[in-house]
Amino acid sequence: GAVVSQHPSRVICKSGTSVKIECRSLDFQATTMFWYRQFPKQSLMLMATSNEGSKATYEQGVEKDKFLINHASLTLSTLTVTSAHPEDSSFYICSATDPSPTDTQYFGPGTRLTVL
Amino acid sequence: GESVGLHLPTLSVQEGDNSIINCAYSNSASDYFIWYKQESGKGPQFIIDIRSNMDKRQGQRVTVLLNKTVKHLSLQIAATQPGDSAVYFCAEISAGGTSYGKLTFGQGTILTVHP
Repeated sequence: GAVVSQHPSRVICKSGTSVKIECRSLDFQATTMFWYRQFPKQSLMLMATSNEGSKATYEQGVEKDKFLINHASLTLSTLTVTSAHPEDSSFYICSATDPSPTDTQYFGPGTRLTVL
Repeated sequence: GESVGLHLPTLSVQEGDNSIINCAYSNSASDYFIWYKQESGKGPQFIIDIRSNMDKRQGQRVTVLLNKTVKHLSLQIAATQPGDSAVYFCAEISAGGTSYGKLTFGQGTILTVHP
């Protein structure tokens, strides 16, 4: 099946710093990528929808200036958590949509962010 | 509104038993449903899907049932194995408009299989 990678898999940072997470589709060109956030023992919550070459669409309650999304190519989307705080500590997961043949979404392995 | 996870319900079974995991969805406009398996520290893994014009679909050891009247999905796992232990999520996709392609996840169920 199609592969989606995320980098880094884990990151620990100090409060106030910014962290960039990369999401790549390795063997297909993704028309759309999605970013999710998951707290322990909870479900995935969609943060934003990212389309190549256009601005991301954020879900209600997600601060676009805090969670910057850049979708520079059909195989790469990045999420930057700016001025991170301990409450931003979470598991961030991306997915990428393979348009061929049926718009199937494939998920990355996730990035564990810990803000001290 | 979106489904928001609280603390997940749990299901414990013995190895070899059949497991049934249930999910209620909220959007009657959803036309595509997917079950995902998520192991600890990993991203969700596709298990099986079903479109709204079907009420049952079978895969290898798994069956998904869809009841659109009561907006209910179930995932049946036959002969459950310890490797099936994980969190299982149902997800729905909206049929169109600005929500096209967006997955809305259910709250999930923790399945524990005892040897």
